Amino acid sequence: DGGITQSPKYLFRKEGQNVTLSCEQNLNHDAMYWYRQDPGQGLRLIYYSQIVNDFQKGDIAEGYSVSREKKESFPLTVTSAQKNPTAFYLCASRQQGNTGELFFGEGSRLTVL
Amino acid sequence: AQSVTQPDIHITVSEGASLELRCNYSYGATPYLFWYVQSPGQGLQLLLKYFSGDTLVQGIKGFEAEFKRSQSSFNLRKPSVHWSDAAEYFCAVGVRTGNQFYFGTGTSLTVIP
Repeated sequence: DGGITQSPKYLFRKEGQNVTLSCEQNLNHDAMYWYRQDPGQGLRLIYYSQIVNDFQKGDIAEGYSVSREKKESFPLTVTSAQKNPTAFYLCASRQQGNTGELFFGEGSRLTVL
Repeated sequence: AQSVTQPDIHITVSEGASLELRCNYSYGATPYLFWYVQSPGQGLQLLLKYFSGDTLVQGIKGFEAEFKRSQSSFNLRKPSVHWSDAAEYFCAVGVRTGNQFYFGTGTSLTVIP
């Protein structure tokens, strides 16, 4: 079945460590997104990519980095510069063009100890 | 700037009662409009979407929503709520000229027997 796979589901990290969250899709979608979700704040855009080897910062990109070397993969690195990284992270994708909705993965919960 | 407002943070309804979740948006043109549902610790699932045409749209799980341009609203409704509808509901706006989406802060629904 086509879909978006995020891993790991749960991740614990010590302060000062970088961590990479994986996002893989087999929907053949061009555009991919990373959102951060905190209680009461909805979803906030971190980065998005419309095509391989290109990506744009979202509203809260500081302390995060991404790469898009393959169409199906869009990993997110949470660096030690991110001051409050504990959150639920959601990856999404959509068909290129203006009418496609976002398809979401199951999310990754990062906890910094 | 585009924005989405969900004025109700939390709603409690009895099983079998009707439901209406409110959503208002701010956008210079007619946007693409979406409602998503999220169970705890899960990703978001699309309930329904509006792009153009009939302003009353039907979705999955018996939900419907009505786009009212004059009120900049896209309220979600269900005539009879089931206990399994308890979840977080997000309204979202898609920008027609780009690839960005804007989410409301969500409405948490509790269903009591």
